[in-house]
Amino acid sequence: SQQGEEDPQALSIQEGENATMNCSYKTSINNLQWYRQNSGRGLVHLILIRSNEREKHSGRLRVTLDTSKKSSSLLITASRAADTASYFCATDFNQAGTALIFGKGTTLSVSS
Amino acid sequence: DTAVSQTPKYLVTQMGNDKSIKCEQNLGHDTMYWYKQDSKKFLKIMFSYNNKELIINETVPNRFSPKSPDKAHLNLHINSLELGDSAVYFCASSRFPVQGVAEAFFGQGTRLTVV
Repeated sequence: SQQGEEDPQALSIQEGENATMNCSYKTSINNLQWYRQNSGRGLVHLILIRSNEREKHSGRLRVTLDTSKKSSSLLITASRAADTASYFCATDFNQAGTALIFGKGTTLSVSS
Repeated sequence: DTAVSQTPKYLVTQMGNDKSIKCEQNLGHDTMYWYKQDSKKFLKIMFSYNNKELIINETVPNRFSPKSPDKAHLNLHINSLELGDSAVYFCASSRFPVQGVAEAFFGQGTRLTVV
């Protein structure tokens, strides 16, 4: 099975700055998803990008996918203190896509 | 209306005990999962169920036994608890995977502490 690897592991920025997180994976995928986890809470789905898509936007989020490099990036623009959380990328556990496999996450701290 | 609910939220128990965590989803999803998150926030798939049938059992010790009485419920029973079982356990659900796993909805987690 494959596992996504996020980079950096931790990121500290000021409010208003942009935050970029990267994810790499090992084998071919059907789609790639990004999730957010606030401290002590469950994961919340942010965005899904299919393997035939290169870029997707949702509000202040921008996700890119480069299947040739097996990598994705999540950009959060104009960060707010409320964006402080851990961010995980997730891909298919196997070819059948019967579960998600998560990376180790990036912990984002946004200070005001 | 909570989409995926787990009970209890916190569970503190002694080694050797048997405990259960319940999970219910009201989203009408066919597929449900159990994930374990360790102290370093690493999330690992434990089980995947589709329409009450086990799809994935990811090298989880036999002490862990999932039970799905119906599509909306997936409970996790753990026998003979060990210190290493301490973690946060998440239940999740999604529509049946078609061309990859669909958006997954997670419960709030159950923090299990074995002492």
